[in-house]
Amino acid sequence: EDQVTQSPEALRLQEGESSSLNCSYTVSGLRGLFWYRQDPGKGPEFLFTLYSAGEEKEKERLKATLTKKESFLHITAPKPEDSATYLCAVQGYTTDSWGKLQFGAGTQVVVTP
Amino acid sequence: NAGVTQTPKFQVLKTGQSMTLQCAQDMNHNSMYWYRQDPGMGLRLIYYSASEGTTDKGEVPNGYNVSRLNKREFSLRLESAAPSQTSVYFCASRPGLVQETQYFGPGTRLLVL
Repeated sequence: EDQVTQSPEALRLQEGESSSLNCSYTVSGLRGLFWYRQDPGKGPEFLFTLYSAGEEKEKERLKATLTKKESFLHITAPKPEDSATYLCAVQGYTTDSWGKLQFGAGTQVVVTP
Repeated sequence: NAGVTQTPKFQVLKTGQSMTLQCAQDMNHNSMYWYRQDPGMGLRLIYYSASEGTTDKGEVPNGYNVSRLNKREFSLRLESAAPSQTSVYFCASRPGLVQETQYFGPGTRLLVL
């Protein structure tokens, strides 16, 4: 069974204070690892897909990296508008995983001015 | 291009009442999904439809039924609502099943008294 664990559960940062979010996963063959951003009262918004260990992707102040067991979402010099819950999800190769994403519980990030 | 739309945005039901949550996408996607999101538990898959005419159970299907009305529309029905079904429900769609991101709707907030 695919499993995803995100840490920490919550993170409070000062504006400009860089940090990283962790997503540890267990999956029988990784098809893809997905990062989403979710604002209060809204649906998740896609950020990145990573497919293989060593892959990195960047978007503005966010950078996602992937190893064989975990992914990190690095937030560099965050601004208050980066405040959101960040969700990680995986899709595996097994028949039971086919077409389905397994989500973590998310990390709630608050960036204060 | 509205993406994924959901109706209603908010609903209050009494225990035992029934209702149908509607979802539609205008991106010509093949796969559609229903999730529920509860505090501290992340997104959990209720049902999904890999293509028009097919539906499959997800992680938490009990108490729900679905209908893939056509390629655009995927509805979720609660036949006899229970307080345990109080949650936020998200619909998502995806072009296919493999290595492609899911795009989410804005959600339906359901309160069962």
